Amino acid sequence: AAGVIQSPRHLIKEKRETATLKCYPIPRHDTVYWYQQGPGQDPQFLISFYEKMQSDKGSIPDRFSAQQFSDYHSELNMSSLELGDSALYFCASSPRTAGNTIYFGEGSWLTVV
Amino acid sequence: GEDVEQSLFLSVREGDSSVINCTYTDSSSTYLYWYKQEPGAGLQLLTYIFSNMDMKQDQRLTVLLNKKDKHLSLRIADTQTGDSAIYFCAESFRGTDKLIFGTGTRLQVFP
Repeated sequence: AAGVIQSPRHLIKEKRETATLKCYPIPRHDTVYWYQQGPGQDPQFLISFYEKMQSDKGSIPDRFSAQQFSDYHSELNMSSLELGDSALYFCASSPRTAGNTIYFGEGSWLTVV
Repeated sequence: GEDVEQSLFLSVREGDSSVINCTYTDSSSTYLYWYKQEPGAGLQLLTYIFSNMDMKQDQRLTVLLNKKDKHLSLRIADTQTGDSAIYFCAESFRGTDKLIFGTGTRLQVFP
């Protein structure tokens, strides 16, 4: 079965640079979520989109922005990167109309040096 | 997560049952979830339970929900070495689909 696809899987950036993560949800899933998991931490909710509109916002820094496109894929843009942004970034998707089965991708490892 | 608590470690012998516990605080949570995370990997949805249920069974997995005590547990029958991973419980925050995760329980299975 198709899963949530994230790219790139690994990314190394320098401080103050910009990074973009991409997420392709499971087909027919209309809701996309972004989570951040620091080393040894539990995942923290960043932001979510339903039908291309932002539906909820969590602890996402102002330096980060995200959007969902007409084909339902989503991108997380991170600017002015800081060392503390080093983390595993998860995208998840769900079919809102079919209950709340939320499936996660494999994650994108961001290392800021 | 500050609102969802789990014990940090659990060690069991192969073939025994494992019980991972979780307490949560948001009584309006609609769904409660269990995810499995292997080292360096993503979060695998194991199972979830709707808040008006008190038990759900899926093959080797049994979820018990005590809504009065806000206590959730995951029982893994016949635990195998491949079950070694970190297990996260998560609640849907105030009935939304924003998940609040627990701190995770590291399950170690030894032969």
